[in-house]
Amino acid sequence: NAGVTQTPKFQVLKTGQSMTLQCAQDMNHNSMYWYRQDPGMGLRLIYYSASEGTTDKGEVPNGYNVSRLNKREFSLRLESAAPSQTSVYFCASSSGGSNQPQHFGDGTRLSIL
Amino acid sequence: GQSLEQPSEVTAVEGAIVQINCTYQTSGFYGLSWYQQHDGGAPTFLSYNALDGLEETGRFSSFLSRSDSYGYLLLQELQMKDSASYFCAVRVNNQGGKLIFGQGTELSVKP
Repeated sequence: NAGVTQTPKFQVLKTGQSMTLQCAQDMNHNSMYWYRQDPGMGLRLIYYSASEGTTDKGEVPNGYNVSRLNKREFSLRLESAAPSQTSVYFCASSSGGSNQPQHFGDGTRLSIL
Repeated sequence: GQSLEQPSEVTAVEGAIVQINCTYQTSGFYGLSWYQQHDGGAPTFLSYNALDGLEETGRFSSFLSRSDSYGYLLLQELQMKDSASYFCAVRVNNQGGKLIFGQGTELSVKP
């Protein structure tokens, strides 16, 4: 039971470099989400995809782009990384129903120097 | 704006009962969820309340009062493994399940 798989688990970038974080789920969920979590903070929604073919901004979308490649995969791209984007990034998925939980991946620890 | 308030830290002893409160102010409300996170790992779902009242799942219960914009998570018979961060989260839209999270409460269970 893989659930939600994120790659890579760790990454170090230099300021200005670009990178794509990958996320895949095998639960046939309709909705997928990208969050960032900074030390001692809650999760802040970056972008989400309510269903295949749609994406919407969350609380902190600036500096990021997303692609819902198909029902299984939802990627997050940093076009020009900045130190302020150093964080732990979590991907999650859900069937989208009112009482349905979000299932999270193990996260990507991203450092930008 | 959207805001959720919960205590930053709570300490309790093994076997005790602890309550973690959450007050919210959001532009939409479709339900209140609680998630647990151990040591920065993947958050895991604990409970969801869409209507007023108490929901019980084993040692954990969650309460919601929509008129007071308030909820709480009640943990009974605390165990050492319950030491973790607990987040409340408000579902703010109907389609897509968009959640706004609180900043989390770190629970320390002492022997």
